[in-house]
Amino acid sequence: NAGVMQNPRHLVRRRGQEARLRCSPMKGHSHVYWYRQLPEEGLKFMVYLQKENIIDESGMPKERFSAEFPKEGPSILRIQQVVRGDSAAYFCASSPPTRRETQYFGPGTRLLVL
Amino acid sequence: AQTVTQSQPEMSVQEAETVTLSCTYDTSESNYYLFWYKQPPSRQMILVIRQEAYKQQNATENRFSVNFQKAAKSFSLKISDSQLGDTAMYFCAFMESQGAQKLVFGQGTRLTINP
Repeated sequence: NAGVMQNPRHLVRRRGQEARLRCSPMKGHSHVYWYRQLPEEGLKFMVYLQKENIIDESGMPKERFSAEFPKEGPSILRIQQVVRGDSAAYFCASSPPTRRETQYFGPGTRLLVL
Repeated sequence: AQTVTQSQPEMSVQEAETVTLSCTYDTSESNYYLFWYKQPPSRQMILVIRQEAYKQQNATENRFSVNFQKAAKSFSLKISDSQLGDTAMYFCAFMESQGAQKLVFGQGTRLTINP
């Protein structure tokens, strides 16, 4: 059973460009969480999704950030018009429907905004 | 809102020694989960150990054990017979048992095991 997969692992963008981060949960997992880790800090919750539904987006910045988890395909975290302060590691985690307290993390995507 | 505090930014011990990492948290909930995650230089997040608040018995996983003091809202991690591979950032995390069940992380403790 493959683990949580994230791609790309590293992403470099110039200010003003768009960044698209992808997350494929573990097989059988229908719950996806996105977290952001700024340099030298702990992870901060951004958004919780189930298939075709955003359940909790209380940690998402109000502008430029969006997330989706379509019926088919990976979950996408999209950052429009990136700024230098968006440089961070973005982690995706997934959990099975019957044990949501156990979250399995992907390797993360390191975003660098020049 | 729940908060998690790790008061030790850095710790360093010799190989084979025992080390304890501190964590306190604040919540008004009675049922919840607590976790310790390890983040080695690869930056992969690895679950070390978890504790369910309604269980009085402290969780153990091989060389890793916790001291869970619910009344004091304290959740420390003890690493016995420390190994070089234990060198990593360690994050304490809290999760409600209901609702969105998002993880709330502390700031982390950078642990170095010296040969």
